[in-house]
Amino acid sequence: GNSVTQMEGPVTLSEEAFLTINCTYTATGYPSLFWYVQYPGEGLQLLLKATKADDKGSNKGFEATYRKETTSFHLEKGSVQVSDSAVYFCALRGYGGSQGNLIFGKGTKLSVKP
Amino acid sequence: NAGVTQTPKFQVLKTGQSMTLQCAQDMNHEYMSWYRQDPGMGLRLIHYSVGAGITDQGEVPNGYNVSRSTTEDFPLRLLSAAPSQTSVYFCATAGTAYGYTFGSGTRLTVV
Repeated sequence: GNSVTQMEGPVTLSEEAFLTINCTYTATGYPSLFWYVQYPGEGLQLLLKATKADDKGSNKGFEATYRKETTSFHLEKGSVQVSDSAVYFCALRGYGGSQGNLIFGKGTKLSVKP
Repeated sequence: NAGVTQTPKFQVLKTGQSMTLQCAQDMNHEYMSWYRQDPGMGLRLIHYSVGAGITDQGEVPNGYNVSRSTTEDFPLRLLSAAPSQTSVYFCATAGTAYGYTFGSGTRLTVV
C-alpha cells in the first residue's frame, strides 16, 4: 500500500538558516503530494502541493519538487524564521476509493531559535 | 464560509462512557475522514467516507463507529471509551482531487 517516510525530528535551527526536511514515498500510480504544517495548539494547514512529476509547490518561502525518479518530495526553505517553528507533515493522496485517502508521514518538529 | 466545523473542542470522558464527535462541512466535498493524532505517530486514519451512505475503515477503526447520512455531516462515535482513545481527533474533507481541509480538532481525554 501507499506510505510516506519523512526524516525524524526534532530539528533545531538558528534564524536565517537553511532548512531541508526529507520526504520519500511509496505509491502505485501517480499520487498528489503535500506538505502540511501544524503550529502549536492548532490544526493542520496545507502548506504546498504538487500534483504531477517535476511540479514545484511553493508557499511562504517554502518549496518542494515532486521527483518521481527518486520518489521524493523534500521540503526546503532558504532562510527560516522563529515563526516557522511548527510540526511539518509530508502526505500523499492517490485517486479514487480508498486511494483517495490522505496518507501522512509521522511529522518533523522544527524549532527555530533567535 | 465555515469550512470544516468540529465540536466539541475539548472533552473528558470516564472509561466506559460513550460520546459522539461532530463534524460538519459546507464545502460540498465527497470525501470525509477522521484521523487521530498521537505523539510520535503522526496522523492515523480511523474511518472515511467517499460519499453519503458510504463508509469504510481506515488504519485504526476499532472502538469507533461512523455514519454518513448527508454530504455535510460525518459524526464519529466512541462506543465505550478507553484510556487508549485519549488523543486529538481531526475531521477532514476533500473533493475528488488535491488536498484535504482539516477541522480545528477535538482534544479527548479518557480517565
